[in-house]
Formats: sequence, C-alpha cells, structure tokens
Amino acid sequence: AQKITQTQPGMFVQEKEAVTLDCTYDTSDPSYGLFWYKQPSSGEMIFLIYQGSYDQQNATEGRYSLNFQKARKSANLVISASQLGDSAMYFCAMREIYSSASKIIFGSGTRLSIRP
Amino acid sequence: GAVVSQHPSWVICKSGTSVKIECRSLDFQATTMFWYRQFPKQSLMLMATSNEGSKATYEQGVEKDKFLINHASLTLSTLTVTSAHPEDSSFYICSARSGLTPEENEQFFGPGTRLTVL
Repeated sequence: AQKITQTQPGMFVQEKEAVTLDCTYDTSDPSYGLFWYKQPSSGEMIFLIYQGSYDQQNATEGRYSLNFQKARKSANLVISASQLGDSAMYFCAMREIYSSASKIIFGSGTRLSIRP
Repeated sequence: GAVVSQHPSWVICKSGTSVKIECRSLDFQATTMFWYRQFPKQSLMLMATSNEGSKATYEQGVEKDKFLINHASLTLSTLTVTSAHPEDSSFYICSARSGLTPEENEQFFGPGTRLTVL
C-alpha cells in the first residue's frame, strides 16, 4: 500500500531564505508520481510540482524544485527565495500510476510560515 | 489548467437533514472523480473514487450509505451527506481527472465545500 510521510508539522523561515520541506514515501509499484500542493487559508489546492518515478532529472518550476532521491524514497520540496505569500500548508502526495484506483493520497502536511 | 467547480462553497444545515454537493469539470471530461474530506488542521483523506456510469469505490471506514456518490455524467459528480450530524462537519474537496490513459497525471481540484452541521 502506498504511504506518504511528512515529519515537519510546522516550519518558520525568514523571508528571502530557501526552505526545504521533507517528504518520504513508500510504494511497491515501480511506476508512480509524486506531487506537491500548496493550500492557503482559503482552502484551495494549488498544484506546485510533479515528479515521475522514471524521470531522470529533478523537477523544477520557477522557485520550486523537487529533490528526488529514489533510493531513499524521498521527494523533498525546495522553495528558493521565500516570500511572505508562501505562508501556507504544503502537502506532499503520491499516485501509483497503474494501480486499479490510481488515486492521489496525501501526507499530513507542513505548515510553513514566512517571517518578514 | 482545467477548472473544477464545486457548489455550494459553504453550507449550514440542521442535524438529520441531507446535503448535496456538486462537483463539475468545466472544460474537460472527467472519467474519474475523487471525493476528499479534510478536518481542521488535518490532511485530505480520500473518501471515494467514482467512475462515470459505475458505482463509487469507497475507502475503508467510509460509510457508503451515508455518503452517496453519483457520477452520472462525464462532467458532474455529486456527494450527498445523508442524515448529517455535527461530526460530519468538514471541508469536502472533489478532484477530477480525464484519465484517458493511466499516465494522465493531471488531477484537478475543486475549491472545496465547507459543511457545518448544527
């Protein structure tokens, strides 16, 4: 069964600093996808970045990059030059591509607070 | 990206009544829709997966008779909370995927519906 673990319930970071949000996963499926979502106080789920299990390079999207360590089963999110608007909940998620349901499941989340 | 809407965005109801939440994919056909529930300060928990025209598959511990899901068309899924009680108060989020192929990775989320049961 697939499992996602986020061990940091909350983090405080100074504005303009880089921040790494941890995520580890477990799956027996060789084909899977890893996601990061941002959820501000409004509740909407904002897609940030995606990494496929067979992707050779780490995914990047603007200030977001995913540090994919396949052997360690980790998929940490790195946010460079943090901004006040980055304060939100961040969820790591995973989908097993070829499983019967192929559903996205979420980790417990990390609340990121950016200090001015 | 594609847009998923939910209606209503918030609802308050009395204990014992039923509430229906709609989820629509506005500019794509969603072969698969997912319903999640999120309690305050917690993660999204998958409740059920529905494919158009077939019965929903519920996650373990989710009462299918209490949370009725209908995915009657490729653009609409509904979640009905029957005989709602205060413990059903939560944030309900739907998600949709076109799912034309298993590799179709994009899954789009609705803005959520906040249900409060008095």
